[in-house]
Amino acid sequence: GDSVTQMEGPVTLSEEAFLTINCTYTATGYPSLFWYVQYPGEGLQLLLKATKADDKGSNKGFEATYRKETTSFHLEKGSVQVSDSAVYFCALNSNSGYALNFGKGTSLLVTP
Amino acid sequence: DAGITQSPRYKITETGRQVTLMCHQTWSHSYMFWYRQDLGHGLRLIYYSAAADITDKGEVPDGYVVSRSKTENFPLTLESATRSQTSVYFCASSLLRGNNEQFFGPGTRLTVL
Repeated sequence: GDSVTQMEGPVTLSEEAFLTINCTYTATGYPSLFWYVQYPGEGLQLLLKATKADDKGSNKGFEATYRKETTSFHLEKGSVQVSDSAVYFCALNSNSGYALNFGKGTSLLVTP
Repeated sequence: DAGITQSPRYKITETGRQVTLMCHQTWSHSYMFWYRQDLGHGLRLIYYSAAADITDKGEVPDGYVVSRSKTENFPLTLESATRSQTSVYFCASSLLRGNNEQFFGPGTRLTVL
């Protein structure tokens, strides 16, 4: 079945550092890929998405490119801020399905 | 614009009791979902609904019951709570299936003693 694997956390970075959170997936066909973010005490909110190969999703300085050849959707940001501290979830939807398959989440802590 | 709300936000109950978690959305989205979030597991789907009176099981449905008599409401009932059901529960909704964004509620933290 469909699944998502993302790097284990926690990840601790200094402010203005470069961020990469790795995400790979297993799916049949051509899934849509998502990154969701969960700030402390809140629900998840969509950060960015890509619906076909080579698409790049971007939002708030974060980017991720849908790489079908490597089945990956790594999240990157050039310069993180303290306010980016949160848990990040990679997810996929098989387009024929209803719900999202989530990775286990990666906790990010950015220190001043 | 209330969006999607969940109640209660926090609940403590005892083993064997029945508990109902409420979810309400104001967008008239067709699809609604219940997930549970546990450390080391991420989010796992419990039940989903494609429309009023249409529900189906997700990955971890055992011990849970859902109903959807109105489009805007999707309550989740634990018929006889167990300690393994201690978790954070999230309700979500989406307008369409597939690659459409899901909108999440703030969550209910449930503790079963």
